[in-house]
Amino acid sequence: AQSVTQLDSHVSVSEGTPVLLRCNYSSSYSPSLFWYVQHPNKGLQLLLKYTSAATLVKGINGFEAEFKKSETSFHLTKPSAHMSDAAEYFCVVGASNTGKLIFGQGTTLQVKP
Amino acid sequence: DAGVIQSPRHEVTEMGQEVTLRCKPISGHDYLFWYRQTMMRGLELLIYFNNNVPIDDSGMPEDRFSAKMPNASFSTLKIQPSEPRDSAVYFCATSGADRDIQYFGAGTRLSVL
Repeated sequence: AQSVTQLDSHVSVSEGTPVLLRCNYSSSYSPSLFWYVQHPNKGLQLLLKYTSAATLVKGINGFEAEFKKSETSFHLTKPSAHMSDAAEYFCVVGASNTGKLIFGQGTTLQVKP
Repeated sequence: DAGVIQSPRHEVTEMGQEVTLRCKPISGHDYLFWYRQTMMRGLELLIYFNNNVPIDDSGMPEDRFSAKMPNASFSTLKIQPSEPRDSAVYFCATSGADRDIQYFGAGTRLSVL
């Protein structure tokens, strides 16, 4: 069975400083992993997707994530936070070939001026 | 394409009333998912369809919930009778050729008084 665990429910950073949102996954096979973002009162939007082509995945808005099999991690990073990055971030694993996605509990990113 | 369109955006109803949520998928997408999001439980998959056929409804909480997809351009999620614990944001999402990437609507915020 597949699952994801987001290690922080809330992260607070200052504008211009790096962002690190942590995610560990569990999967019995090579997983498809994603990060989705949800801005207040909006639907979820795909940030990036990993599917084994490259371990470092670049997404939209300057975000990237690195797949580390040895650590079963897929942490999301950004070198410099912007106020507009304040949102809820979800780490997601694809459930085999079903089309279903399994969502983590989410991490709220707060960006302080 | 206008994306996934959900209606209404907000619904306030009284306990015992029937509630119908609507979703128009992105044209050409053959997977449609209904999710429920609450603070306590996070994002839960309720049911999903492939080519208008329900594939997995194991997430539907109880018989009060039902979902239909009469054609490729429309789906409904119905709650009858509604209860206060059904209060949540309900999202519809669809996917196409890359079934791993889901596109979310803006959601329907349901309040049952």
